[in-house]
Amino acid sequence: GAGVSQSPSNKVTEKGKDVELRCDPISGHTALYWYRQSLGQGLEFLIYFQGNSAPDKSGLPSDRFSAERTGGSVSTLTIQRTQQEDSAVYLCASSLGPEGHQETQYFGPGTRLLVL
Amino acid sequence: SQKIEQNSEALNIQEGKTATLTCNYTNYSPAYLQWYRQDPGRGPVFLLLIRENEKEKRKERLKVTFDTTLKQSLFHITASQPADSATYLCALSGGSYIPTFGRGTSLIVHP
Repeated sequence: GAGVSQSPSNKVTEKGKDVELRCDPISGHTALYWYRQSLGQGLEFLIYFQGNSAPDKSGLPSDRFSAERTGGSVSTLTIQRTQQEDSAVYLCASSLGPEGHQETQYFGPGTRLLVL
Repeated sequence: SQKIEQNSEALNIQEGKTATLTCNYTNYSPAYLQWYRQDPGRGPVFLLLIRENEKEKRKERLKVTFDTTLKQSLFHITASQPADSATYLCALSGGSYIPTFGRGTSLIVHP
């Protein structure tokens, strides 16, 4: 079946603008993760959704970052008033969740964000 | 604080040889450890998972060991091929659904 998809694949924006990044997880996966990966850096956890539970937002770097997941499927990561240090690749991953084999994550191709 | 260390220097080896990558961790008691492969411009792809009560796991040319005493995992690729060239990430999980990823080690297999 289809894997995790993300859009847009690339985004160039001006400092101060808001951006929205979208993630379509694998159908049936109840867990969804957002990560950020800067050049030469590891994956930085941002936020975790599991079913209808309240999301774990402990990784969000500032209140300019927010995310939602509608209907337990598609998720949107929003960055308000973007800064140059927000430039990175934003990766989404999904997994089966606690009722399944939740440990394995399936990643999307990422959105490359460049803030000028 | 929890720390995961992977060699930041690229590993260069000749085709046909065995590549061995290391993942060390401190201040952590992971329930399981995963290895992912990441190609340039792509998201990571899951390769293998090993649990704390397992010493070794194999899948085709891949082998992972997990030593909770040494706090170390070794990732081996036997009979390496140029197509194995990529960055390999280890990720640890324990008591949480949120894994912690290492920065990865780049492997370059020369023909």
